[in-house]
Amino acid sequence: AQSVTQPDIHITVSEGASLELRCNYSYGATPYLFWYVQSPGQGLQLLLKYFSGDTLVQGIKGFEAEFKRSQSSFNLRKPSVHWSDAAEYFCAVGTKMEYGNKLVFGAGTILRVKS
Amino acid sequence: KAGVTQTPRYLIKTRGQQVTLSCSPISGHRSVSWYQQTPGQGLQFLFEYFSETQRNKGNFPGRFSGRQFSNSRSEMNVSTLELGDSALYLCASSLRVPTEKLFFGSGTQLSVL
Repeated sequence: AQSVTQPDIHITVSEGASLELRCNYSYGATPYLFWYVQSPGQGLQLLLKYFSGDTLVQGIKGFEAEFKRSQSSFNLRKPSVHWSDAAEYFCAVGTKMEYGNKLVFGAGTILRVKS
Repeated sequence: KAGVTQTPRYLIKTRGQQVTLSCSPISGHRSVSWYQQTPGQGLQFLFEYFSETQRNKGNFPGRFSGRQFSNSRSEMNVSTLELGDSALYLCASSLRVPTEKLFFGSGTQLSVL
């Protein structure tokens, strides 16, 4: 069965510092990988996705992620964090079913930004 | 273009009652998925509908059910509510399946007392 592990429950970074959120997945086939962000009391917003091709993917809000098959990882990065980036971040693996699709999410990482 | 709309935004029920949540997908989207989010279990897939047919179902008891109408709007129902059903219920829509992109609503926060 598919699974996603986000090892860090909380991360605190200073504004302007770089950020890396870790994500490891378990999936037998080629995964479809996603990063979503959720602000308190809100739904999920897609930051970026990987389906195939270039293993370094660019997303919205200056985020990027790198797919490393050998490490089963899909870490999210941002070179300079802004206070508005404080939120909860979810990594997910998509399973492509015959008639649909579902996402398996990690437990999430809460990002705090200190000024 | 309007996003995914979920109503109501908040709901308070007591144990044993039943509840119906509504989701209006983005115009033109034919797939609607439902997810349950709790602090303990995280985000878990409930079910997915496409063209009024349930395509996939997660590991939830039969008390959780749903349906999709011809205009793609979807409802999910939970009968005989339990305290553990307190959660944020998120709906997501997509243009087609399989898809590269799910658009999520803001959710319905259900509290069971």
